[in-house]
Amino acid sequence: EIVLTQSPATLSLSPGERATLSCRASQSVSRYLAWYQQKPGQAPRLLIYDASNRATGIPARFSGSGSGTDFTLTISSLEPEDFAVYYCQQRSNWPLAFGGGTKVEIK
Amino acid sequence: EEQLVESGGGLVQPGGSLRLSCAASGFTFSTYAIHWVRQAPGKGLEYVSAINSNGGSTYYANSVKGRFTISRDNSKNTLYLQMGSLRAEDIAVYYCARGTQLALLPDAFDIWGQGTMVTVSS
Repeated sequence: EIVLTQSPATLSLSPGERATLSCRASQSVSRYLAWYQQKPGQAPRLLIYDASNRATGIPARFSGSGSGTDFTLTISSLEPEDFAVYYCQQRSNWPLAFGGGTKVEIK
Repeated sequence: EEQLVESGGGLVQPGGSLRLSCAASGFTFSTYAIHWVRQAPGKGLEYVSAINSNGGSTYYANSVKGRFTISRDNSKNTLYLQMGSLRAEDIAVYYCARGTQLALLPDAFDIWGQGTMVTVSS
């Protein structure tokens, strides 16, 4: 069973700053990693699939990178609407798994 | 607009049963595998179950295997999750989510419903 560890748990930043979120897998997931954004009271929204592909309608300030066991989600310049919780998810093997999440909060 | 709408959540006693529904609209429901993901209050996301596009293949997480049954009715564009032997640890918001493929394969989820809350308590 693949375990995903996200860091940091909380990221305190100001609008306009760059956010770098990490997701580490306990074994290789190749490039089969997705990132989701979740705001309070809302369902998750797919941002990135297969490590670096932006989902439909996702702004270019969101980018993903990595392969194997180490992945990064970068938000180049935080907008007010970007403050939320971000989850990574692997689709390499069953059982599918999510990371514990990183909360991006306003500093 | 492509949409999933869950219903059927509520309060149930420990050991009881509940059936969740997920109604799809705005896309060809019968050409996608659909999944259930849950989120306990204040916690992260947990994968629950999946069914392929024609209903012939299913998958369950170990935590629900033998207690939950996933099914679909493509003529009604609706997905179901029959939940039995419910426990306190099943308390969560349950989301249905669309996979990107027909087949039952590990997948990412591009469309999510708004969720339905299940509470287990006496």
